[in-house]
Amino acid sequence: GAVVSQHPSWVICKSGTSVKIECRSLDFQATTMFWYRQFPKQSLMLMATSNEGSKATYEQGVEKDKFLINHASLTLSTLTVTSAHPEDSSFYICSARGLAGVLWEQYFGPGTRLTVT
Amino acid sequence: GDSVTQMEGPVTLSEEAFLTINCTYTATGYPSLFWYVQYPGEGLQLLLKATKADDKGSNKGFEATYRKETTSFHLEKGSVQVSDSAVYFCALNNNAGNMLTFGGGTRLMVKP
Repeated sequence: GAVVSQHPSWVICKSGTSVKIECRSLDFQATTMFWYRQFPKQSLMLMATSNEGSKATYEQGVEKDKFLINHASLTLSTLTVTSAHPEDSSFYICSARGLAGVLWEQYFGPGTRLTVT
Repeated sequence: GDSVTQMEGPVTLSEEAFLTINCTYTATGYPSLFWYVQYPGEGLQLLLKATKADDKGSNKGFEATYRKETTSFHLEKGSVQVSDSAVYFCALNNNAGNMLTFGGGTRLMVKP
């Protein structure tokens, strides 16, 4: 149980185009999902917290107009990188908050590698 | 604010060697502590966790003990395998919103 999927697993796009990444909780409902960005050989950087039915909360320094997050249902959150540029190339990882017994835990997706040419 | 510090890698070991990856934290209150593992090209997988002082988390031969007096959560394994080669992240959760604070990650390379 507690599986999180991401689609696509990798994507190459041209500079100036937009890319949508989906994050789904497959066997549980997630009122909260998180979006992270990871540069090569570095740790995860939290970009935003996505709550179902409300606006996402962005971390300081993350452009909300560039990284659009939508959490329209309890099992799906999407991250859209608008007008992508080569510096947006990165590994994007989502996680979903779910119950593990009586404690809340984050379950991570496999990640999406974005390359902007 | 909360922070997690872990030893820089890469850590290179021979198969069957003993592994220790140090992790210390700074946090108010009583955080939960985690170790995650990331294999090449993949997302993070929870390896083990501990939710209160003196708890020992263990999984797949790895273990870590929550030491509040030294604010540490060092990861250990008695005999590593080549398949353990990955990046290991120490993390803490100190709020009801379940936000995780990650350490910088430690790359482990195990040679046959």
